[in-house]
Amino acid sequence: QVQLQESGPGLVRPSETLSLTCKVSGGAMNDQYWSWIRQSPGKGLEYLGYMYSRGGTNYNPSLSGRVSISIDTSKNQFSLRLTSVTVADTAVYYCARYWYDGSGLNWIDSWGQGTLVTVSS
Amino acid sequence: SSELTQDAAVSVALGQTVTITCHGDGLRAFYASWYQQKPGHAPVLVIYGQDKRPSGIPDRFSGSTSTDTASLTITGAQAEDEADYYCHSRDIRSTRLVFGGGTRLTVL
Repeated sequence: QVQLQESGPGLVRPSETLSLTCKVSGGAMNDQYWSWIRQSPGKGLEYLGYMYSRGGTNYNPSLSGRVSISIDTSKNQFSLRLTSVTVADTAVYYCARYWYDGSGLNWIDSWGQGTLVTVSS
Repeated sequence: SSELTQDAAVSVALGQTVTITCHGDGLRAFYASWYQQKPGHAPVLVIYGQDKRPSGIPDRFSGSTSTDTASLTITGAQAEDEADYYCHSRDIRSTRLVFGGGTRLTVL
């Protein structure tokens, strides 16, 4: 079982860019999907996007193109960028490993502990 | 619709059986997976596929799927099962991931 650990600033100013990194340990990142999910205070889980280790991304269209994910398999880490943040982007951000078998089976088996990012001036 | 719908809250008496459901068109094509989340903690996978349990998940947790509905059943609920439960799957059209709104389970 891999371990994931998020890192990055806990406070971001409105209109600026939120940047987080997820370090993966205990296994390689190859041939897998890596995802970011967030949870606003007292709310449910919201999908942000995922990236396949060999390239290819998928993002939540509700974020209007503000989100991007990149991966560096040589460093065993992947990153999230969310631009033009507002107070509505205040949330606990989780990185996670997503599995999809190409047919009907899909699941998230490993999650980081989460990191709270507050958007405030 | 690409969304997944769950009841907001469900309660169960200690030791009894409870079923939490998740509805969505995407479940006709993709299996749901289920996550347990306790306050201040990350979600934990409890069921995926038709009825697969990760290592370490008690066998009182089980899953099933019928047409556009996925179900999570806890047989003999324990006090430690009190938590929020989320279903998750994949959207048919966009391939994005989708989550249900979550069900808060109270064990009485």
